[in-house]
This record gives sequence, structure tokens and C-alpha cells, in this order.
Amino acid sequence: GAVVSQHPSWVICKSGTSVKIECRSLDFQATTMFWYRQFPKQSLMLMATSNEGSKATYEQGVEKDKFLINHASLTLSTLTVTSAHPEDSSFYICSASPLPGQSAYEQYFGPGTRLTVT
Amino acid sequence: SQQGEEDPQALSIQEGENATMNCSYKTSINNLQWYRQNSGRGLVHLILIRSNEREKHSGRLRVTLDTSKKSSSLLITASRAADTASYFCATDASGGSNYKLTFGKGTLLTVNP
Repeated sequence: GAVVSQHPSWVICKSGTSVKIECRSLDFQATTMFWYRQFPKQSLMLMATSNEGSKATYEQGVEKDKFLINHASLTLSTLTVTSAHPEDSSFYICSASPLPGQSAYEQYFGPGTRLTVT
Repeated sequence: SQQGEEDPQALSIQEGENATMNCSYKTSINNLQWYRQNSGRGLVHLILIRSNEREKHSGRLRVTLDTSKKSSSLLITASRAADTASYFCATDASGGSNYKLTFGKGTLLTVNP
């Protein structure tokens, strides 16, 4: 149980285009979803936290107009990288929790999406 | 700065040996978790230890937590080549109404057959 999928697993796009990444909880309802970014050989950095039906909370330094997050249902959150540039190339990982707010320490991670912007 | 800092950054051992990784953190926590990440893949949750616990076991894994020193260790006994991966500790951090994990930089473990 507690499986989280991401789609696509990898994507290559041209500079200036937008890319949408999906994160789905397959066998549970995800009250809270998280988006992380990981550069090669580095740690995961939290980008934003989203709760179903409300606006995402972005971490300091993360541009909300560039990284659009939508958590429209209890099983799906999407991250759209708008007007992508080469520096946005990274590994994006989502996680999902069946618990809300401060109880969301139980997180299940997706397999990640490798984004390359040319 | 990173809440969790693992050391060593890289560790290479022979199959059958034990591997110990350490994690230090700066602020008070409720929970500390250890995760494994195979190259280019997502994270696999290994174990969670609460701030009022000192030691926890799961199969070949043993985790200790010393809140007075703000440190934790992960011991993998009788290592296997399949244990080759990066290992991260993650601490919780209160942030408004949402729960947040802060990850350390990770230890790259290589188990040679």
C-alpha cells in the first residue's frame, strides 16, 4: 500500500516552454502533498506544500508564478514549470501524506521526474 | 542551512560488514526519519524515531537518537550489495499549519561484493 506515482518519469523540453508534472496517490487519499527539488548529488529541498482544495504554501525563495502547483483532488497534485530555463533542470520529487497539517510526518514519496531543459 | 547533516558524505565497505552513518541537526525535533534513495530514484522510508525514543530496530537496521547531542545514527548490519544507495536523515520542522521535512545532505554508501 501507500504508493505514489509521478508522470512523466523524465522529460526534455525547450527553453521557454512549460512542463507539467503529475503526482498521484494510488491507494490512499492524500490530504497533503509536497514538492521537492533535488540537484545532482545533493539533498532534497522542499519547494512547496499543498493541501487539497487550497493554495499551495511556497518555501522562501521559490517563485510561485514559475512553479504552479494545483492540488485539485485528494489523489492528484500537479507541478507546472512555466517558461522553463536550463537552470530549472533538476530532479523533482513529490510526496503525499494521508494526514493534514502538523500530522503529515507520514509521507510517501514518488519515484521522481527528471526534467532537462535545453 | 541544512537542518540535518550526515557524515560521512561517502562510505565504501565490503559485503558483510556493518555500515554506520551519522546525522546531526540544529533545532528541537518531534521525529527523525531515515530514507534510502537509489541512484535517480525516489525515496524509500526506512525508519522513524520519535524524540522520546532512544533506539529503534527494523530488520538489519538500528537507529539511535541522542536529543541532548542533537544527533542520530543509522547502523546497517551484515551489509549487502543491494544496500548500495544514498541515505538521508530528515527532521521535522514546525512551519505554520503544515508539517515540513528538512533533509540532510546524505551519505552515499557503496557496498562492494
